[in-house]
Amino acid sequence: GAGVSQTPSNKVTEKGKYVELRCDPISGHTALYWYRQSLGQGPEFLIYFQGTGAADDSGLPNDRFFAVRPEGSVSTLKIQRTERGDSAMYLCASSTLTGDSLTGANVLTFGAGSRLTVL
Amino acid sequence: AQTVTQSQPEMSVQEAETVTLSCTYDTSESDYYLFWYKQPPSRQMILVIRQEAYKQQNATENRFSVNFQKAAKSFSLKISDSQLGDAAMYFCAYRTYNYGQNFVFGPGTRLSVLP
Repeated sequence: GAGVSQTPSNKVTEKGKYVELRCDPISGHTALYWYRQSLGQGPEFLIYFQGTGAADDSGLPNDRFFAVRPEGSVSTLKIQRTERGDSAMYLCASSTLTGDSLTGANVLTFGAGSRLTVL
Repeated sequence: AQTVTQSQPEMSVQEAETVTLSCTYDTSESDYYLFWYKQPPSRQMILVIRQEAYKQQNATENRFSVNFQKAAKSFSLKISDSQLGDAAMYFCAYRTYNYGQNFVFGPGTRLSVLP
């Protein structure tokens, strides 16, 4: 698509429930990143995909968090047994491998985010 | 591990004036990228400007320019002729030159523009 699309934009769930957050990156962008942003803070890295594989998942806080990108485009971030501390804005961003401009290689294009609230 | 520090949680500037936002970073690498991202209230993050560490010339994009001091590991953003639409959170970010690494963001500076 023309931009990075994230759904849902807002998700309210109860403690202990399972949640899936979806990211549809810009067409042709092979790199996809998930970040978590708490209110008033900077984005915190969770996981990075290059194609279908997770190139770096060192930011996932624990084994309740998991992400997939089975066909190298859409990615899903999955959170099991949600806790109140998981409440945050979850940002997805994608990047291309080519170009040298404000939209080129090594430049992140962000989605609008999915705001997760765990009650 | 790389870290990015923004020592000014909040800044304000009068419309049409100039403001400088500070950023310092810590790395042992010689090749990397630096970025400034802008996040307006309730809107998505967008790139303002980027700088490659191997380039000595400071990047400029219209009213936005940087002062990149590699030895001091400093990367400040100057906004000239500030406009009301510049009000936002500004995040400094670092990325290693070696592909396959994530971006590291600073904690952000909230910029208010006063009419």
